[in-house]
Amino acid sequence: GQQVMQIPQYQHVQEGEDFTTYCNSSTTLSNIQWYKQRPGGHPVFLIQLVKSGEVKKQKRLTFQFGEAKKNSSLHITATQTTDVGTYFCAAISGTYKYIFGTGTRLKVLA
Amino acid sequence: DAGITQSPRHKVTETGTPVTLRCHQTENHRYMYWYRQDPGHGLRLIHYSYGVKDTDKGEVSDGYSVSRSKTEDFLLTLESATSSQTSVYFCAISEIPTGGASYEQYFGPGTRLTVT
Repeated sequence: GQQVMQIPQYQHVQEGEDFTTYCNSSTTLSNIQWYKQRPGGHPVFLIQLVKSGEVKKQKRLTFQFGEAKKNSSLHITATQTTDVGTYFCAAISGTYKYIFGTGTRLKVLA
Repeated sequence: DAGITQSPRHKVTETGTPVTLRCHQTENHRYMYWYRQDPGHGLRLIHYSYGVKDTDKGEVSDGYSVSRSKTEDFLLTLESATSSQTSVYFCAISEIPTGGASYEQYFGPGTRLTVT
């Protein structure tokens, strides 16, 4: 079945450093979503990418969808302690079924 | 946050006992999901529902059953709990808006289940 791999599994950065997490699929995706889960919390939707090569920005967060629609990335510029959490990508399988990546846990050291 | 509640929020139970977790939504969304979250595995889909009495299996459905008799409620039952089912369980809802491609999921607060 469809698989979504996410790397790295963990990342520790100093506050102010940049951070990137990558999501790779074994099959071509129709679209991809990104979620953030704060420690002890529940996943919260960040964004959806639909078009090949699409780039979207939310303040310090930049999301990219690969040209072949098989990979995606989330880049955070100048991390802050509020960025701590686990970031998940999710691929849509069929019309309403979601396959989540394993997540990247980000720790920001002040 | 979307109107999603889960009950109970915490539960400790013994191996072999039946357990039912409840998810309740006030958003009138058509689609509802149950996930389990374990370290190193991310979120894995257990079962999902695409309408009242319409359910289907996810990738880790063995040992679990679900029911949806009303739009707002989606129940997850562990028929005979095992220690491998110790996990955090999340319910989620989504909807496909007319004319739009965006159908993000909204998650409930989670239920922490420990099977001893």
